[in-house]
Order: sequence, then structure tokens, then C-alpha cells
Amino acid sequence: QITLKESGPTLIKPTQTLTLTCTFSGFSLTTSGVGVNWIRQPPGKALEWLGFIFWDDDKRYSPSLRDRLTITKDTSKNQVVLTMTNVDPVDTGTYFCAHSDVRFGEMDNWGQGTLVTVSS
Amino acid sequence: SMLTQPHSVSESPGKTVTIPCTANSGSIDSNFVQWYQQRPGSAPRTVIFEDSRRPSGVPDRFFGSIDISSNSASLTISGLETEDEADYYCQTYDRNNVIFGGGTKLTVI
Repeated sequence: QITLKESGPTLIKPTQTLTLTCTFSGFSLTTSGVGVNWIRQPPGKALEWLGFIFWDDDKRYSPSLRDRLTITKDTSKNQVVLTMTNVDPVDTGTYFCAHSDVRFGEMDNWGQGTLVTVSS
Repeated sequence: SMLTQPHSVSESPGKTVTIPCTANSGSIDSNFVQWYQQRPGSAPRTVIFEDSRRPSGVPDRFFGSIDISSNSASLTISGLETEDEADYYCQTYDRNNVIFGGGTKLTVI
């Protein structure tokens, strides 16, 4: 059974750097074909893909956020970390991580999400 | 590239509803389309992947299709149940970027 869980700060100030961790079980990022995506959702708004990292360390980012995002993995801890620099109140929302077996394809298992508020 | 969905649709229990997802550029059949259901306060879950395939556990009342002539994907739900009330998002990718539609709120009344 695949599970994922996001963790990190619930409140962060503008201009700071946000670091979120996705801790997962039921799969390994050393297995060929496996990846983890990050997606966010502002309150009451649509889903927005942020990026992914795959087993072979292939990393892709949303073009609109590429300059601010970094995704890394720690295979020994079964964790993926998302870093977002220079946050703004518009970055407020629920952040999800999700498992995928296909680059740019279906995200078949999602974490519960973690709400991050950017406010001074 | 963008995927356009109606903001909301409503239908009665037992009826059939179709939610369109229109691509504004490129061909809708260039890459697979997924559909996700999101109930309030919950994470999304897949109801259709690779245009028309259903994950195990999703009832066959959920049907996905592609219409090249309108450059759209569609999610059709038949025999509507109150538990189908949720937000639905289509998803595909274009030029190394994953794209979600704006979401459609389905009300079953």
C-alpha cells in the first residue's frame, strides 16, 4: 500500500524560503520508473502542478515557478523535499505530493496535503 | 496551453452528466488525459487515466472519452449518486509541463 504525507511549516513570512517534506511508504525512489510530484491548491482554486523528481534524478518544474523551486530526494529516508524561495501571500495554499509511474502522467496516490499560509 | 472546463454543472440523482475539458492549443489526443475527483477537504483521486481507463474501485458509471473534432476530453458520469458531488479536474501535459483544467464543481440535486 502506497502512502504519502506532507510536512512543514503552517505559517511562513513573505520573502522567506519554504521547505516541505514528503515522506512516503510502499514504494522506493530507487525503483525504475517511479516518481513523486508536487502540486498545490490555493484556497477555493484549482490544482497547480509544481514539479516532479523521478528515480533517475530527472527533475522537471513548472515553467512559471522554475526559478524559485528545487526538488530533491533522500532515498535512504524515503523522502522528497520541495524548496520554494522568496514566498509571497499568493503562494498560500494546500501543498500535495503524489506518486506517479509515468512522467507527466497520472498521479495515482496522493498525500493528504498540508496547508501553508504566507503572511507577515 | 490551457484546459478549459465549465465552472459548475448540476444534475439530478440517477441522471447522466458530461463534463468537457477543451484544449486551447495543440491536439487533445497528443498526450493522455486524466480525470481526478476531489471531495471537500480531501486529496484528489483518479477516476479516469489514459483518456478512458478506470482504476480499480471506480465504478463503470464513470466514462472518459476524447473528441478530436472539438479538441476536447470528456468525463461522463451516469446514474448519478449524491456521493458523486465533488470537484472534477482534467489533466494532461504539454511541452514538459503538467496542466490541470480549472475544475468543475458537480452538484447532484
